[in-house]
Order: sequence, then structure tokens, then C-alpha cells
Amino acid sequence: DAGVTQSPTHLIKTRGQQVTLRCSPKSGHDTVSWYQQALGQGPQFIFQYYEEEERQRGNFPDRFSGHQFPNYSSELNVNALLLGDSALYLCASKANRNTEAFFGQGTRLTVV
Amino acid sequence: AQSVAQPEDQVNVAEGNPLTVKCTYSVSGNPYLFWYVQYPNRGLQFLLKYITGDNLVKGSYGFEAEFNKSQTSFHLKKPSALVSDSALYFCAVRARGFKTIFGAGTRLFVKA
Repeated sequence: DAGVTQSPTHLIKTRGQQVTLRCSPKSGHDTVSWYQQALGQGPQFIFQYYEEEERQRGNFPDRFSGHQFPNYSSELNVNALLLGDSALYLCASKANRNTEAFFGQGTRLTVV
Repeated sequence: AQSVAQPEDQVNVAEGNPLTVKCTYSVSGNPYLFWYVQYPNRGLQFLLKYITGDNLVKGSYGFEAEFNKSQTSFHLKKPSALVSDSALYFCAVRARGFKTIFGAGTRLFVKA
């Protein structure tokens, strides 16, 4: 059983560009959350998707948007990239009725 | 507002000795509490959780955590540390809603 998978693993983008990160949840999981982990910090909650809708959002600007597909996979989109968006982006999935989430290995985004 | 504090940036312990990684939290209502571990360039791995019931929770790899409601603490412990336990440990809390808040992390070094 594959766990949570994220793609790509590494990405380099230029300021002002747009990026899309992808996440496939663990089998049996229907809820996906996205986190940003800057160097030396804990993960910061971006948003969570369930039943293809965003149901809670952290303190991130509208440049950060997402989507969940009928197969529960999810995308994170970031527009107008800033240098400060450089971070490890983590996807976590869980079954809605469960409490603990399982994380992917992350996508390392570098904005230059 | 929810918050999590990990007061120690780093904990050093000799192999075979007991270890404690501290965590305190601030939430309204009854929290769900979690510990995760992160190895270099990897996502977070779930260790254990407290939802309700016994204050001492046992988790993966011999780790356990003690919930103390009066002190709003959830310290991670292990009776005998291994060199392979060296990693970054995160405490997390979720109360109302779906947002999970992570601490800044504590780096554990276990010396042989």
C-alpha cells in the first residue's frame, strides 16, 4: 500500500511564476491537508480539503489555492511566487473519521 | 487561539539513557495531541496521539507521552534512547475545527 505521494520532489521557480504541486493520499483516505514548512520551523497549516471543498484555511494569502479531485487527490497552486515562498510543502491525508494524519515526503520549492 | 510550545530547540542524551522532549499547549476545549518525527529531507512520521482516556499514551518505536491537563503539557518520553532516535520531533495540537497547529520542533541528538 503506497502511502501519501507527492510530486515533484524538488522544484525551482523564478519570482512571479506560478507553481502546481500534487498529492495522492494514502489508500482509504478522503481528507487532504497542505502545510508549508520553512527552514528551521514547524509546518504551518495552509488549508484542508474534504469532499472536493476547502473546509478550513490557515493564514495564507489568496495566492495560495487548491483543489481536490473526485479520486481524493489534491493540488496546491501558488501564484505570483515570492522568494519567501521557498519551503518544503507537505501534504497530509487521513480518513475523515480518524484523527491522525499521514504525511508525504514533501516537495522542496525554491524560488529564485 | 491555539498554540504549541516546545521550549527546547535541542535535547542531547546518551544512548541507553531515558529521554524527554517537552511540549506545552494552549487551546480552548479538549485537545487532540500528537507527536511526529521528521528525518532529514523527509516528511513527518506519526508517533502517537492522545484523544481521551489514560494519560500515558504508548506509540511507535518505544515512545510514549504523558498528558497532563493541569499543566497543559504533553511530554514525549522513551526509557532508553537509541542513536537512531536522533531526529526532529514535533508536537501538534488540534481543538475545534480541522486545523492542526505544530510546534517549532525539538532536535534530538543521541550520542553513542
